[in-house]
Amino acid sequence: ETGVTQTPRHLVMGMTNKKSLKCEQHLGHNAMYWYKQSAKKPLELMFVYSLEERVENNSVPSRFSPECPNSSHLFLHLHTLQPEDSALYLCASSQRQGVYNEQFFGPGTRLTVL
Amino acid sequence: AQSVTQLGSHVSVSEGALVLLRCNYSSSVPPYLFWYVQYPNQGLQLLLKYTSAATLVKGINGFEAEFKKSETSFHLTKPSAHMSDAAEYFCAVSGYYNNNDMRFGAGTRLTVKP
Repeated sequence: ETGVTQTPRHLVMGMTNKKSLKCEQHLGHNAMYWYKQSAKKPLELMFVYSLEERVENNSVPSRFSPECPNSSHLFLHLHTLQPEDSALYLCASSQRQGVYNEQFFGPGTRLTVL
Repeated sequence: AQSVTQLGSHVSVSEGALVLLRCNYSSSVPPYLFWYVQYPNQGLQLLLKYTSAATLVKGINGFEAEFKKSETSFHLTKPSAHMSDAAEYFCAVSGYYNNNDMRFGAGTRLTVKP
């Protein structure tokens, strides 16, 4: 595998389910990001991790819980979601935090909440 | 705080015609500006970035963008459209000191007609 991978690519869940999204980067980067992409809305930054420590949490509801066990893996744990949480969830990584560092994106997980 | 506005959610051009995708930014600090492209079922890929060096920035796939401070613009152009250019394009801005606060535009979908 190369670049940034995300699993699963598609997920359908009910509002009472608990599921997790997984992201893995094979680039040796130290920073990882979760974004939410909804139809007709700008990309929203949800969480930022640098060297496995959370450095940014943009007022995301607690039903989304991130986890970064090491610099290569990032998870997004989901529970009691709402239909409006249906979206494409994108993971990205960069060499480190900082403006000169391009963010590399994974293909995303398409989430549908019924 | 930074923000970007992309003018036109959908642009349609004929193959071989000029591509012009518009982006205006707002930033209280010197901005760093980016254009990303997203093909169907894929993540975002960096096309080019402006980081206060040359105002005319050349990117991949024949795209370029010009930073115009007086107009607070960073429009993306390509002299001759190709069918493979059909995708969604996102303009983004971050502040000089904080790449975590990267703000994306709502996107412009480019259609290329044969």
